[in-house]
Order: sequence, then structure tokens, then C-alpha cells
Amino acid sequence: EVQLVQSGAEVKKPGESLKISCQGSGYTFVSYWIGWVRQMPGKGLEWMGIIYPGDSDTRYSPSFQGQVTISADKSNATAYLQWSGLKASDTAMYYCARVVVAPRDWSFDLWGRGTPVIVSS
Amino acid sequence: EIVMTQSPATLSVSPGERATLFCRASQSVRSKVAWYQQKPGQPPRLLINDASTRATGIPPRFSGSGSGTQFTLIISSLQSEDLAVYYCQQYDDGPPYTFGQGTKVEIK
Repeated sequence: EVQLVQSGAEVKKPGESLKISCQGSGYTFVSYWIGWVRQMPGKGLEWMGIIYPGDSDTRYSPSFQGQVTISADKSNATAYLQWSGLKASDTAMYYCARVVVAPRDWSFDLWGRGTPVIVSS
Repeated sequence: EIVMTQSPATLSVSPGERATLFCRASQSVRSKVAWYQQKPGQPPRLLINDASTRATGIPPRFSGSGSGTQFTLIISSLQSEDLAVYYCQQYDDGPPYTFGQGTKVEIK
């Protein structure tokens, strides 16, 4: 089955670091860009950034550049999203998603179920 | 950064009736627009890409149209399971490949 499996819910304190994961299976992971999308409570979708696991080419939204780090480990077909110092405003659901066919089509055709992150003192 | 503006914010439609959702881009995005459906408690699902191409497994009651700056998603005969928030996304110019703020479809 073609799927993206995300790591479980996280509850953290402000200032802590965090790394969440997204493992692909059922397809050639290294051949498709993977993106991250934030959804704050009760709000819409925000495009954060993308990575090509084949060579780790990474592109960020200016809104998220410097705030998070996107990485990938092609040996275990996993992409990551990490923070070095969480803020309460990072509380959100984070989705990973597969890009259709870059560079012609950057839409997302396969989504993970999301990782909820709560940051609270 | 291209801004995608969706209207209306909320749409209330009776079962069997037509729902029309709009998405406007702040500059031309050619036909590089996708539509997603997000049901409560679920991740988004791709409905349409390239403005008018239905994704795999999407029923024909969903159709998309438009090019340039104006785009439309039509649900021709609303079903109860279509209760969801619908998002458009442009992928012509980025990053970021921006989303609209969403239209919530309610069943009247």
C-alpha cells in the first residue's frame, strides 16, 4: 500500500527541541518530493517547505525559513521536520505530503494522517 | 508570494443541489491550481489538479475550471459526505505554493 506514516502526537514545553517523522512506503521514496504543511487549531493549511530525498534539495517558505529544519534519510525512506526551540505558537497539526510530479505539478497527491504538536508550559 | 483568496467562507447547500466555490489568485497562475477536500478530523485529499483534472478515484460530481486568476470548483449534486472544508492551492510560482483560506461546505 502506498502511504506516508507519521510519528505520534507530541507534547512539549517552550524552548524544547523536537523532530517529527514521515515514513514513505509502497513507492520509490527517493524519486518524489515530500512537503510539510502546518494547520493551526481551527485554521487553514500553510505550506512550509519541501525536500527531495534523492539529493536532500530543500526549499522553504520565507515564513518558515530559519524557524524549522526539513531533512530526509533515504536509507529508511523517512523525512523529518525539526525545531530547535519550540514556541507556544508552534502548536498545530503537521502534515507531510507527497508532491505529484515536480517540476510540472507541485500539488500533493498523498498525505500522512498528521502529527499533532502541543507546546505548553 | 501569490495570495489565493477563496469565497465564500461558508456555503450552505441542500443535498442534491449544486455547490459553487471560487478561488482567485493575486496574479496569473496559468492552470496550476489544485483543489483539496478536508473532512473533519482527516487530512486533506487531492480532488483536482491542473485546474480541471480529477485525481484518481474522485467522483465525477466534482469538477474544476478556470485559468489565469479565476478558478471554480463545482459539486454538481451535493451529497451528505461532501461536508468538508475545500482548499485551493497554486503551484505555478513558489516556494511557497500557497493555499487559499478555505471554504466550508455545510449541508442545509
